[in-house]
Amino acid sequence: EIEMTQSPATLSVSPGERATLSCRASQSVSSNLAWYQQKPGQAPRLLIYGASARATGIPARFSGSGSGTEFTLTISSLQSEDFAVYYCQHYNNWPHFGGGTKVEIK
Amino acid sequence: DVQLVESGGGVVQPGGSLRLSCAPSGFNFDDYAMFWVRQAPGKGLEWVSLINWDGGRPYYAESVKGRFTISRDNIKNSLFLQMNSLRVEDTALYYCAKGVIVGTTDYYYMDVWGKGTTVTVSS
Repeated sequence: EIEMTQSPATLSVSPGERATLSCRASQSVSSNLAWYQQKPGQAPRLLIYGASARATGIPARFSGSGSGTEFTLTISSLQSEDFAVYYCQHYNNWPHFGGGTKVEIK
Repeated sequence: DVQLVESGGGVVQPGGSLRLSCAPSGFNFDDYAMFWVRQAPGKGLEWVSLINWDGGRPYYAESVKGRFTISRDNIKNSLFLQMNSLRVEDTALYYCAKGVIVGTTDYYYMDVWGKGTTVTVSS
């Protein structure tokens, strides 16, 4: 089973600043990596698939990069609606989620 | 508008059973694989089960294998999760999600999620 490790667990950022979230796979998942955003009381929402492709309707301030075992989600200028928990998930065979990164207001 | 609506959750004693349902709308259900994913209170996301477009290939996480059964009815446009021998650790919010296939592989990511249905296993 491929394990996904996200860091940091919590990221404190001021509105308008850049946020960089990391996700590491225990072995290569190629580019079979997705990022999801989850706000309190809501279902997860797909942000990024294929490591770097934005899902439909996702603003350009969200970008994904990486391949193999190291991946990054970058939010270029945090808006108030971006404070949430972010999960990475590989789908190289059976899907597995990382533990999540909570992005909170600094 | 693509939507998924889960139902069937509730409170059940350990060892009991529940059957969850998911009603899709806004897309051709029989063109897509479907997932069940759960989230225990205050915890992260855990993949539970996946079924391909025609129901011929169901897959399960080790934590539920032998106890849960995923199925679908493409005529009635419905997805199901039969949960038997329930344990306290199965307590969670259960989401159904639509799967998108990656090229010609058997790999899928989840592009649309329902709001979930709550399962509580407690004596």
